[in-house]
Amino acid sequence: EVQLVESGGGLVQPGRSLRLSCAASGFTFDNYVIHWVRQAPGKGLEWVSGIRATGSHLGYADSVKGRFTISRDNAKNSVYLQMDSVRPDDTAFYYCARPLDTGWGPFQYWGRGALVTVSS
Amino acid sequence: EIVLTQSPGTLSLSPGERATLSCRASQSISVTYLAWYQQKPGQAPRLLIYDISRRATGIPDRFSGSGSATDFTLTISRLEPEDFAVYYCQQYGTSPLTFGGGTNVEIK
Repeated sequence: EVQLVESGGGLVQPGRSLRLSCAASGFTFDNYVIHWVRQAPGKGLEWVSGIRATGSHLGYADSVKGRFTISRDNAKNSVYLQMDSVRPDDTAFYYCARPLDTGWGPFQYWGRGALVTVSS
Repeated sequence: EIVLTQSPGTLSLSPGERATLSCRASQSISVTYLAWYQQKPGQAPRLLIYDISRRATGIPDRFSGSGSATDFTLTISRLEPEDFAVYYCQQYGTSPLTFGGGTNVEIK
């Protein structure tokens, strides 16, 4: 069974850093792109970034470019989102997601999400 | 960036009725890389339709997708009580990947 479990969320002050992790199991991890998607409370979905099996990224949303960095460790079946210089509008549930197949999408599997709250 | 505009924002219907949701792209979608998701409160999104018209595993055949280039439609032929939710379209062919703003299908 495919499982994605996010961790590392919590309360962080504006301007500080936080690192989210996504632990994957139930599939051959290093064959797949993994994405981060966020959703502010009561709002819609926003793609944040994605990372290829090789470790190269697919790009970033303009709203996080230059502040967030995606990475992966295939030996640990994990993907990370380093969030620097966080702002109040980064407050959201952060989901990791895996595509249906070895392409970029669509997103068949999702974690339950990790809540990040940016507030002083 | 490909902007996806969904309409209407809210659709008020009764069980058994037909729902038609629209997704319009600011430029032509790469190949057929358009998907639809359903999201209920407190849950992660669920993939319904991909490649414009292909149903994901386990999705009932009352859900169907159609369209091409910049105009896409999700149709729910007869609404069941569990279908009342928010629906998002997504393009996954061009970076940045983007989602539409969502359509809330609510009980009338």
